[in-house]
Amino acid sequence: KAGVTQTPRYLIKTRGQQVTLSCSPISGHRSVSWYQQTPGQGLQFLFEYFSETQRNKGNFPGRFSGRQFSNSRSEMNVSTLELGDSALYLCASSFQGGGQETQYFGPGTRLLVL
Amino acid sequence: GDSVTQMEGPVTLSEEACLTINCTYTATGYPSLFWYVQYPGEGLQLLLKATKADDKGSNKGFEATYRKETTSFHLEKGSVQVSDSAVYFCALSDRGGGATNKLIFGTGTLLAVQP
Repeated sequence: KAGVTQTPRYLIKTRGQQVTLSCSPISGHRSVSWYQQTPGQGLQFLFEYFSETQRNKGNFPGRFSGRQFSNSRSEMNVSTLELGDSALYLCASSFQGGGQETQYFGPGTRLLVL
Repeated sequence: GDSVTQMEGPVTLSEEACLTINCTYTATGYPSLFWYVQYPGEGLQLLLKATKADDKGSNKGFEATYRKETTSFHLEKGSVQVSDSAVYFCALSDRGGGATNKLIFGTGTLLAVQP
């Protein structure tokens, strides 16, 4: 079974631009979560989607948004990019969510904002 | 709120040495506990997990026991290899209600194993 895939793997943008990242979960998984990883703040939860609905949201500004499609694929969007948005963005999927389930992570998208 | 504290790194060991990475947590409910590993340039891989008190998770020679009385989930391995060099993250997930999949991570511990 294929793992979680994320595209693109690397991205360079300039301040003020917007960016869209994509995540394809493991086949059959309906829950998709997004995390931001930076050297200063570590790994932080952005949001979780299940059955095309945002089920949980972390403490990030409204510039960070996401959505999930009927095939469970998910996208996250960051508008008006700031230098501090440079990070590794990780997507994780699980069967239906719930604290006891294992989340399987993709390789991440590394975003650099200049 | 819920939080995870793990020991600062880097931890530098010689091959075949014993490893312990300390992890303690604060949670209002009854979390599931996880250890994830991140190799350079890659995403996170689940190493092991435990979903209730006194459970022991194990994988690839690594072990961790869910200790509710000390709110700890220390990672141990009896004999490390160079290939174990990576960053290790302790994490918790609130299991109450089942309607959330949010993981809270510790800061990560870099392990460097020398031949």
